[in-house]
Amino acid sequence: ETGVTQTPRHLVMGMTNKKSLKCEQHLGHNAMYWYKQSAKKPLELMFVYSLEERVENNSVPSRFSPECPNSSHLFLHLHTLQPEDSALYLCASSQDTVRETQYFGPGTRLLVL
Amino acid sequence: AQTVTQSQPEMSVQEAETVTLSCTYDTSESDYYLFWYKQPPSRQMILVIRQEAYKQQNATENRFSVNFQKAAKSFSLKISDSQLGDAAMYFCAYRSVSGAQKLVFGQGTRLTINP
Repeated sequence: ETGVTQTPRHLVMGMTNKKSLKCEQHLGHNAMYWYKQSAKKPLELMFVYSLEERVENNSVPSRFSPECPNSSHLFLHLHTLQPEDSALYLCASSQDTVRETQYFGPGTRLLVL
Repeated sequence: AQTVTQSQPEMSVQEAETVTLSCTYDTSESDYYLFWYKQPPSRQMILVIRQEAYKQQNATENRFSVNFQKAAKSFSLKISDSQLGDAAMYFCAYRSVSGAQKLVFGQGTRLTINP
């Protein structure tokens, strides 16, 4: 089992709600990532944090707002989402952002009504 | 931009037999990493095997091995002695060591193990 946990595992929200996804890694890594996995599409990288600094924003709409308060925790704040944002959101971590392998959490299954 | 293609949406194999999953990629870089990840129905993405492009020797991990053909930009995964627990979605992924540091994933191959 990986040392990356995500909560909640399932989330249903309306388009006017505000919610947050949480990711925690227990591996002592310095980099964390958010990915989106939609049906019939490859995984898409959303954000990359290295040493708590955002190093990549992959053209993600502003209704998704990441936060990395320390190297062990990563949040994804959600507000005014659209139904097409329904997907599995995966968090990952790695020792660094260059050569090290990424380890994934179990994901949060999000449904936007 | 790099792309990864898995041309087999679904594969099936009899238990205890061998199966090979295909992956091709497109890049102009000479140094990079390639990965195979497994995503069982529980949804936890698990690393299966990793290959450094500068290494000519194919990576192996127990029953899992790869056939890395750098010139052909091919990176297939061979699973020997297939077990029921191998049933999952398998994703091939590419990662550059310069510039953009993201993993680029293929579309995935759903592997079914027939008892």
